Amino acid sequence: QVQLVQSGAEVKKPGASVKVSCKASGYTFTDSYMHWVRQAPGQGPEWMGWISPISGATNYAPNFQGRVTMTRDTSITTAYLEVNRLTSDDTAVYYCAREIRPGSCQADDWGQGTLVTVSS
Amino acid sequence: QSVLTQPPSVSGAPGQSVIISCTGSSSNLGAGHDVKWYQQLPGTAPKLLFYGNINRPSGVPDRFSGSKSGTSASLAITGLQAADEADYYCQSYDNRLAIWVFGGGTKLTVL
Repeated sequence: QVQLVQSGAEVKKPGASVKVSCKASGYTFTDSYMHWVRQAPGQGPEWMGWISPISGATNYAPNFQGRVTMTRDTSITTAYLEVNRLTSDDTAVYYCAREIRPGSCQADDWGQGTLVTVSS
Repeated sequence: QSVLTQPPSVSGAPGQSVIISCTGSSSNLGAGHDVKWYQQLPGTAPKLLFYGNINRPSGVPDRFSGSKSGTSASLAITGLQAADEADYYCQSYDNRLAIWVFGGGTKLTVL
């Protein structure tokens, strides 16, 4: 079965960076886009962007352009999200999510989430 | 402030039905982009519940149904069960913002 397993919780200071990983299994990693979505406490989800595992092409939401980097390592079927210059507003659960059919604009499968806490 | 607007909460007794609304605009639902619905049980990741306005992934009971008209969409849940208590989110694509957009979520309480 499809599994997206994310790295563990992180605590960071303001101004620092964080890198979250998402290990995919149960399907062909390069067949589906990988999205990143975050959810601040008590808020709805917020879409951050996607990466195409086969090409490495990315598309970032304007709110995150310049501060976020999405990468992947196809040899270990893992996607990564790096967020720089963290502030307290970045405290959230970060999810990776698979879009089976690129262009369908839906998150078919989700990782379990990674809590990132930004605090001085 | 979310691009898609949902009521903060709805409630119903076991066995009853509820409808959760999702209101967008001419740049998302009104532009012809379909709506997806996600169910988020407490402490878990969202799960795709509905897509393409009217389609359910396998394993989702037919007690859940969806519809869309113009700039609005709705999710109907019939035969409410305690296990349905969750947060429900609508999602679509916005042409003007060029991003996926989500609603703020609706908390369903089964009385």
